[in-house]
Amino acid sequence: DVKVTQSSRYLVKRTGEKVFLECVQDMDHENMFWYRQDPGLGLRLIYFSYDVKMKEKGDIPEGYSVSREKKERFSLILESASTNQTSMYLCASSSNDGYTFGSGTRLTVV
Amino acid sequence: KQEVTQIPAALSVPEGENLVLNCSFTDSAIYNLQWFRQDPGKGLTSLLLIQSSQREQTSGRLNASLDKSSGRSTLYIAASQPGDSATYLCAPNNYGQNFVFGPGTRLSVLP
Repeated sequence: DVKVTQSSRYLVKRTGEKVFLECVQDMDHENMFWYRQDPGLGLRLIYFSYDVKMKEKGDIPEGYSVSREKKERFSLILESASTNQTSMYLCASSSNDGYTFGSGTRLTVV
Repeated sequence: KQEVTQIPAALSVPEGENLVLNCSFTDSAIYNLQWFRQDPGKGLTSLLLIQSSQREQTSGRLNASLDKSSGRSTLYIAASQPGDSATYLCAPNNYGQNFVFGPGTRLSVLP
């Protein structure tokens, strides 16, 4: 029973492209998060949202934006992809019962 | 700001051994702590969630303990199996802050 779904497992994009990473949760959670994970740097928070149309910057928001038009969907947008945005991207949602993660999207920017 | 360390960074054991993974955090004002496993190239899978009022939580061969006052949690894995090979991360959850993840312990269980 998949609860947090990320639309793509692997993605290859060209430098300068606009990239959309989609995340959908079916647990009616209010809180949703986008992380990136790089070797040696661990998980770093990009953006999060506590409600529809709300967004807050995390630790590394530069070069990214987000959209939350519906409670179940949280999108991460790379306005102009660059090679240093090559990474594993993880979406999560949370409640008082903890965090649930999606399976991740491995993005390569060439 | 919360800081999390995990010891050891990597561990290699023969199948069948019992083992302990350690997690330390600097800010003890947490309301829960969650343990995850991550397989290579995959997302994080939740293993156990301990509320701050609890001292232990068990799921199958896994047991997690929490000593909030000393800023420590341990994950005990009994009778380890090759399928347990993964990276294990702990994440204390503080009031008014987002989760902070530890760097993880990379576990290899050899058949």
